[in-house]
Amino acid sequence: GAGVSQSPSNKVTEKGKDVELRCDPISGHTALYWYRQRLGQGLEFLIYFQGNSAPDKSGLPSDRFSAERTGESVSTLTIQRTQQEDSAVYLCASSHVEGSTNQPQHFGDGTRLSIL
Amino acid sequence: AQKITQTQPGMFVQEKEAVTLDCTYDTSDPSYGLFWYKQPSSGEMIFLIYQGSYDQQNATEGRYSLNFQKARKSANLVISASQLGDSAMYFCAMREGGSNYQLIWGAGTKLIIKP
Repeated sequence: GAGVSQSPSNKVTEKGKDVELRCDPISGHTALYWYRQRLGQGLEFLIYFQGNSAPDKSGLPSDRFSAERTGESVSTLTIQRTQQEDSAVYLCASSHVEGSTNQPQHFGDGTRLSIL
Repeated sequence: AQKITQTQPGMFVQEKEAVTLDCTYDTSDPSYGLFWYKQPSSGEMIFLIYQGSYDQQNATEGRYSLNFQKARKSANLVISASQLGDSAMYFCAMREGGSNYQLIWGAGTKLIIKP
């Protein structure tokens, strides 16, 4: 498929464990975003990657959260020492290179993370 | 202050009726874009429609149209002839020209279409 691909679709883990979430953006999209969505709430921006520029990490809630992206391909979001409040759906989106305001972000299906 | 406000947390609409979902925004940037997304219960976020601040006409995409009132800073989504499959969360979002990438999101409106 040509869409944004996220894995795993669901992850259940024990409190204190580390988790790694993966996002494969649409080919050719240089911009990649991670969001968190808690149950019944809107989207919370986490981090943004654009090409080889330094990422905007301003939305990461704590130093337990980190993300990497190699070039313009796959990104991984890592949560260390998970807490119950980390339970949420983590959404990844990608878009074409930014140059105007009209580029929509295209989303993956998300990873539903549950911390026991 | 909220930059994107969706005042309707939930709405019930009879099937086949038109529905308007409200969105107001706040920006001092003359260049901005407004987006509407649909999120069904399955969770995926689906892009619906876009309106640019300099666009002269209201955007339309099939049954979706955007009632853009620039002076009032509102960008309401209109769904004509609603269908059961339109039941979902709807989010309004804005990108300011100066920001060049970040979308600012509203809290969403939960729309339920009644048969």
